[in-house]
Order: sequence, then structure tokens, then C-alpha cells
Amino acid sequence: QKEVEQNSGPLSVPEGAIASLNCTYSDRVSQSFFWYRQYSGKSPELIMSIYSNGDKEDGRFTAQLNKASQYVSLLIRDSQPSDSATYLCAARGVTDSNYQLIWGAGTKLIIKP
Amino acid sequence: DAGVIQSPRHEVTEMGQEVTLRCKPISGHDYLFWYRQTMMRGLELLIYFNNNVPIDDSGMPEDRFSAKMPNASFSTLKIQPSEPRDSAVYFCASSETGGETEAFFGQGTRLTVV
Repeated sequence: QKEVEQNSGPLSVPEGAIASLNCTYSDRVSQSFFWYRQYSGKSPELIMSIYSNGDKEDGRFTAQLNKASQYVSLLIRDSQPSDSATYLCAARGVTDSNYQLIWGAGTKLIIKP
Repeated sequence: DAGVIQSPRHEVTEMGQEVTLRCKPISGHDYLFWYRQTMMRGLELLIYFNNNVPIDDSGMPEDRFSAKMPNASFSTLKIQPSEPRDSAVYFCASSETGGETEAFFGQGTRLTVV
């Protein structure tokens, strides 16, 4: 199993619906998780981070962490065409001295008007 | 702060030539990361520095690649000699110390080796 896994998509969601993006992880990563959004031709930018089990909400975005099942999700409510992008899941390395981020391959999200 | 600054934004070079990519991290950030992104392989970590010291260069593909960080505000990634398979977008990112801190990315350098 890869350390961080995502379905590459594309995931197509109608405008106004909820988009659900998922990421699973192995024991080889720590418990700090990050969701980045990357528009085509642009650099990744942080959407949300989550470190504790449960949900964390920020506007239309909700991150969910389930440590027992080793998955982290990003929900986008009221999806807009401007949300169309690739979403990258990342986790910190497992050791205290390992500050590198372990990246998933990214899920391409398409919001259809 | 202006964010992470990379130069050049685009580079087209001939196979065999030396290429130098430059990065200025965010002031006060003590971690600097060099990434390469391609459609086939996604985002790959090449090397990262802590307080200007290289910590992990296991992602550097081969001896043709080298990276330096002579001071806290500047880093270079050099490819010599360049090959067509090096064509990719190269990102520099920086972060503060702490496992819960995010990494901030520069705008990237799109490298094309012909």
C-alpha cells in the first residue's frame, strides 16, 4: 500500500451538489493531514488542514479524519464551477524529524454547470 | 511577505545544457522543499533543507541534479547536463518548523528540454 492514496478521477459533480473527495493512508504517515487545491497550470494552495479525529469546517469546506479507518475526506458543499481543480491530499512523515509531506496523486474534480 | 519566489517561470533549453532554477523562501521559514511535478508521476519531493542544511536528497533522480542553499533566503536546483526527460514543472516550497504547519508553494518553473 502506498503511504497516501487517492482516486485520480476525474470526479464529475453537478453544480450545487456536494463533492466528496477521499484519501486513505498507511501507518507510515503521521496524523497531520492537508488538503491542497491545484488549478491547471498553477501551484498547489492549502485548502484545509486537520489533525484531530472528526470534522473540521471552514465555509463550504469540511475535512473529516477517521483514524480508525485511516482515511481523510474533503467535502465541498454547494459546488461551484470555480471548484474544478485537482485536489491533493498530503500527510506529514511519521518521525518528529521528518517534516516532509507525503503526497497523494491527486483527484481531478469537475463541476458541471 | 511576497510569498515563495521562483525564477525563471519558464525555461526552454537544449539537451546537454546546464539549467539553474532559483528559489527565495518566505522569510522566517526554516524548511525549504524542491518538488518536481509531471502528469505521469505527480508531485515528487526531490530534496529538502532545514536551516540551510540538506536533510533528505533521496528523491534526487541522479547525479545530474544538485541543490544548494547557501543562506536562509536563497536556494538553487541545478541540472547538468539536462535531458528531455527532465521536462517538468519544478516547485519550491517553504514552511516553518512544526508538524502542523503547511507548506507554501512558489509559482513553479516550467522546464522544457528539447
